[in-house]
Amino acid sequence: ETGVTQSPTHLIKTRGQQVTLRCSSQSGHNTVSWYQQALGQGPQFIFQYYREEENGRGNFPPRFSGLQFPNYSSELNVNALELDDSALYLCASSSDPQVTDTQYFGPGTRLTVL
Amino acid sequence: QKEVEQNSGPLSVPEGAIASLNCTYSDRGSQSFFWYRQYSGKSPELIMSIYSNGDKEDGRFTAQLNKASQYVSLLIRDSQPSDSATYLCAAPNMEYGNKLVFGAGTILRVKS
Repeated sequence: ETGVTQSPTHLIKTRGQQVTLRCSSQSGHNTVSWYQQALGQGPQFIFQYYREEENGRGNFPPRFSGLQFPNYSSELNVNALELDDSALYLCASSSDPQVTDTQYFGPGTRLTVL
Repeated sequence: QKEVEQNSGPLSVPEGAIASLNCTYSDRGSQSFFWYRQYSGKSPELIMSIYSNGDKEDGRFTAQLNKASQYVSLLIRDSQPSDSATYLCAAPNMEYGNKLVFGAGTILRVKS
């Protein structure tokens, strides 16, 4: 059973650019949640995808968007990057969108915006 | 008011002691609560979940929930240096479609 993987590991972008982060969910999992974790803070919920549909969204602007593919892998896209977007981006997969289902986190993508 | 609050620490305890980590939450409708451990530079790992008032024990870990006081705690008995990490408390919040909201985390340092 493969775990949650994310790519790339690290990324450096400049303000105004666009970025795409990728996540492969754990085998058998159909739900992917994305979080942003700034330094010294806890993860903040961005959105969740369940069976290719957005299933809940946190307080993030529309320039944060996502996709989920038929194999349940997912992408997080961020347009018009700002300095404050610098953070660790985590995806977590689960076998059910219910909050009580265990989420398994990937290793994260460290994004630096200059 | 933050949805989930934790003391940022660091909390320093000697090896073998009991570490007590605390968390308060604002959404009275929350029914489930989670403790994650995050080592520096790593992703969070679930260590305990609790849904009912009272205590839940798993090995050296005990989670305690008091819904009336909107308070969750995690006790780590016989603390080891390998327990040194940031401990994140999380609870669902109806504002976000019942999705998890995390606290900022408490840094625990276990000194040998």
